[in-house]
Amino acid sequence: DIQLTQSPSFLSASVGDRVTITCRASQGINSHVAWYQQKPGKAPKLLVFAASTLQSGVPSRFSGSGSGTEFTLTISRLQSEDFATYYCQQGESYPLTFGPGTRVEI
Amino acid sequence: EVQVLESGGGLVEPGGSLRLSCVASGFIFPSYAMSWVRQTPGKGLEWVATISGSGEKTYYADSVKGRFTISRDTSKNTVYLQMNSLTAEDTAIFYCARINSTSEVLRCDYWGQGTQVTVSS
Repeated sequence: DIQLTQSPSFLSASVGDRVTITCRASQGINSHVAWYQQKPGKAPKLLVFAASTLQSGVPSRFSGSGSGTEFTLTISRLQSEDFATYYCQQGESYPLTFGPGTRVEI
Repeated sequence: EVQVLESGGGLVEPGGSLRLSCVASGFIFPSYAMSWVRQTPGKGLEWVATISGSGEKTYYADSVKGRFTISRDTSKNTVYLQMNSLTAEDTAIFYCARINSTSEVLRCDYWGQGTQVTVSS
């Protein structure tokens, strides 16, 4: 199975900050990564797929990059509604796996 | 508008069974694989199972293989998860999600609101 790690696990930031979250895969997965945002009590929401393609309706302050084993999700200017937990997920093959999450808080 | 709505969660005793349902709308149901993903506070998000659009292929996490069965009824736009031999470790919120595989990357592009499954005596 493909294992994913995320760093940091917790991030304290302020509105307007630039935030970067890293996801590393245990083996090369091309660009087959997706990123999700989850707020308390809500289902995850797809933000980015294929490492860098923004899902429809997602604000352009979100961006993704990377290939192979290292991927990043960047929020260019953090807004108050962006405080949430972010997960990466490998979409290379089954079993699908998720990273442990990065909690972004004020 | 794409919508996914789960039901069937509840409290069940260890060793018991439960069937979850997921009704989908707003898209051509047979064209998409569907998945179940669960979440516990301690383990984060865990993919559970996927069924192909045709229903011919199924995939399971090792943790549920042999105990859970995913199926779909195209006439009802519904996906099911039959869960048997439940243990406390199966306690979680179960989400139903649509799988999109364009650009060769499998991802859950639409999720339901989740249904709580609690296994306890």
